[in-house]
Amino acid sequence: DTEVTQTPKHLVMGMTNKKSLKCEQHMGHRAMYWYKQKAKKPPELMFVYSYEKLSINESVPSRFSPECPNSSLLNLHLHALQPEDSALYLCASSQDSERGGLETQYFGPGTRLLVL
Amino acid sequence: GEDVEQSLFLSVREGDSSVINCTYTDSSSTYLYWYKQEPGAGLQLLTYIFSNMDMKQDQRLTVLLNKKDKHLSLRIADTQTGDSAIYFCAESRIATDKLIFGTGTRLQVFP
Repeated sequence: DTEVTQTPKHLVMGMTNKKSLKCEQHMGHRAMYWYKQKAKKPPELMFVYSYEKLSINESVPSRFSPECPNSSLLNLHLHALQPEDSALYLCASSQDSERGGLETQYFGPGTRLLVL
Repeated sequence: GEDVEQSLFLSVREGDSSVINCTYTDSSSTYLYWYKQEPGAGLQLLTYIFSNMDMKQDQRLTVLLNKKDKHLSLRIADTQTGDSAIYFCAESRIATDKLIFGTGTRLQVFP
């Protein structure tokens, strides 16, 4: 089983709203990732969690706040977003974030976010 | 630079072979990946190749790696309409924990 699940599938929010995106995997993976993907572009890395600790933050604005409550769950808290933040948000996981073949990432289906 | 380059578009007839190309920049990359993304969906891992291999075959998929030229290709035999999607190559760089994606190739299969 290489399934990563994400909820919700679609989200519409206003610029003053607070919402959260959720990601879950039960593959025993210890690294989890958030990506942002705009239309017709490749995914852009936002955050990496390794063993439940934030290891990479790609200079993401503070209106995006990640959280890793345990090794199976990854959240992305959203607050005061801008219309340009509208995109597909993808979660991924890998067995580890180190090399040696353990870094192969498996992606969820994404949450399509629209900010009005 | 950091760019991983792919041609933007490929159109093939159903039943023909498709070849999607990718050039990357970092000779220390350990693993190279091909992902498929259908409209409105996430990325599906298709296959990957370790950097010390030249070729990997998996059913209809054949990956060729030319490390000297930093060129990766994905051949899809007997292409079907269900293969229509965007295909991303990606490299896993030894110096970082990041996956660097190519620009994506949109494959269109027509009857």
